[in-house]
Amino acid sequence: AQSVTQPDIHITVSEGASLELRCNYSYGATPYLFWYVQSPGQGLQLLLKYFSGDTLVQGIKGFEAEFKRSQSSFNLRKPSVHWSDAAEYFCAVGPSPNTGNQFYFGTGTSLTVIP
Amino acid sequence: EAQVTQNPRYLITVTGKKLTVTCSQNMNHEYMSWYRQDPGLGLRQIYYSMNVEVTDKGDVPEGYKVSRKEKRNFPLILESPSPNQTSLYFCASSLVGGKERNIQYFGAGTRLSVL
Repeated sequence: AQSVTQPDIHITVSEGASLELRCNYSYGATPYLFWYVQSPGQGLQLLLKYFSGDTLVQGIKGFEAEFKRSQSSFNLRKPSVHWSDAAEYFCAVGPSPNTGNQFYFGTGTSLTVIP
Repeated sequence: EAQVTQNPRYLITVTGKKLTVTCSQNMNHEYMSWYRQDPGLGLRQIYYSMNVEVTDKGDVPEGYKVSRKEKRNFPLILESPSPNQTSLYFCASSLVGGKERNIQYFGAGTRLSVL
């Protein structure tokens, strides 16, 4: 079955430490890829997107993500985490010729930041 | 201000009592969508619309109806709500073409409890 997988349900990091959130997809070829962040009680905000071209994309709030076709991955990274980064993070796919007109989301990774 | 507006934000109802959750966007987006968010399941697409009078099922359409009579509005209708529809619902919209295509803007969410 086609899917978006975020293997880490919950991650805890210290403030100032680096962060990597994993995302794998199984839609073949090159789908449109997104990372969203959801702060408690809020809607979702786009962090960054990948459609084509340079496989390392920069987003807001100091986040970046790297598309690796060979690993079907689109991992999110930040070199130094701030306490305000504590939130839920979602990887998403689509729409594209592989996914039709739908969007598919992973199950999310909850990030806790400790002082 | 560009936004997606959902109403109500919170709703408690009883089994079988028809309800409508409204969604409106002011960005002239062609694509609109409804999602439900449940713990451990991420966001799942209920219905989406590519444009006025064009709607299609997502992954979890059972028990829901939608309509798209105007470009800016995309209401979600639960004709006979059941407790398994207790969830957090999000409306989103996006363009379908151009540089900003597929970048979804989300409403603040509607928390629904069906007793």
